[in-house]
Parts: sequence; C-alpha cells; structure tokens
Amino acid sequence: AQSVTQLDSHVSVSEGTPVLLRCNYSSSYSPSLFWYVQHPNKGLQLLLKYTSAATLVKGINGFEAEFKKSETSFHLTKPSAHMSDAAEYFCVVSDRISGGYNKLIFGAGTRLAVHP
Amino acid sequence: EPEVTQTPSHQVTQMGQEVILRCVPISNHLYFYWYRQILGQKVEFLVSFYNNEISEKSEIFDDQFSVERPDGSNFTLKIRSTKLEDSAMYFCASSESSGGWETQYFGPGTRLLVL
Repeated sequence: AQSVTQLDSHVSVSEGTPVLLRCNYSSSYSPSLFWYVQHPNKGLQLLLKYTSAATLVKGINGFEAEFKKSETSFHLTKPSAHMSDAAEYFCVVSDRISGGYNKLIFGAGTRLAVHP
Repeated sequence: EPEVTQTPSHQVTQMGQEVILRCVPISNHLYFYWYRQILGQKVEFLVSFYNNEISEKSEIFDDQFSVERPDGSNFTLKIRSTKLEDSAMYFCASSESSGGWETQYFGPGTRLLVL
C-alpha cells in the first residue's frame, strides 16, 4: 500500500531564509507524488507534482521538489521564504485503485511559520 | 482560473439529522471525489464518482453516506443520520481524467460540526 510520512509537523523559518519540508514515501510501484498547500480558510492548492519525467520538479511561488528513489524522498524546498508562504503543506501520493481510478493518500501535514 | 466551489462553508447540525454538502466541480471535469479531515488527523479519501456511479469508496463510506450528481453541475454528499464522529472538514475535488498523474483540484471545504 502507498503511504507518505512528513517528518516535521511544524517548521519555523525567518523571512528570506531557505525552506525545507521533508517527505518520505512508500510505494510498490513508480509513484505519482504531489505537494499541496492550504492557506487558512482556503482549499488545497497544488504546488507541484512528480510523474516520472524530470526528478527535479518546479512548482508555483518558487517551490521545487526533488524525487530521490534511492532515499524514497520527495522533499519540498524554496531558496527564500516569504511571509505569504506561511501555511500547511501536504505531501501526497496517488494510489491506484480498481478500474484504473486513483485516490490520494495524504501525509499528516507540515505547518510552516515564517517570522519577520 | 476555474475553481471547485463548496457550500456551505460551515454547517452545524444535531446528531441524527441529515446533512447535504454541496460542491460544484470544474465544468469540464469528469471525475469527482470527497475527502474529509477530522481535526488533528490526516485528510482521508471517502469516495470517487464517475459516469454517475461510485467507482471506489473507503471503509468510512458506509450506508449513512451517499453521493449524487443531481444535475450537470452539482455534486453532493449526503449524510443520512449524523454522528458526533462525523464532525470534520469535508473537501470536494475533481479531475479531468483518472490517471495517477492527474491533478485533483480541491474546493475550500465545508466544516461540519455535529452536536
């Protein structure tokens, strides 16, 4: 069965410093992996996704993630945090179910705080 | 940019009452989903829906739950007799196709509180 583990429930950074949100996955086949972000009172917004093309994936708002099969990791990074990046971030893996459909398996989430 | 919308944003109900949560998926999408997040827990898959029928449902999705696409735009989740443990944030999502790489677009959620 597919699963994801987000290694930090809370991360706090200063504005202008790098962001690293860690995610490890477990998959019996080549996974599709996603990072979603949730700002307060907003829906889940897709940041980026990995679908077995390039291992370094660039997303919106300057975020990127690198798929490392040897480490079963898909960590999210950003070179310089902005106050508006404060939100909850979810690492997600797509699980194939019967009939070719898929459902998303969510990690527990990492709450990112950005301080001035 | 097209968005998934959900109504209401908040719903408070008494235990045993029926609730209907409404969603308007993105207009050209064919696959629809409900997920929920109990406070402090992970977002969990409830059900997927395609071509006017359920394609997959989780163990959570028991006989108290049902989904429907009553017209060409709405997608609803009904809970027939709510329990305290149904209190959660419910998210609707939609996608163009069903491939594992396909992005599911989420609505802002409905926060349900059962008293």
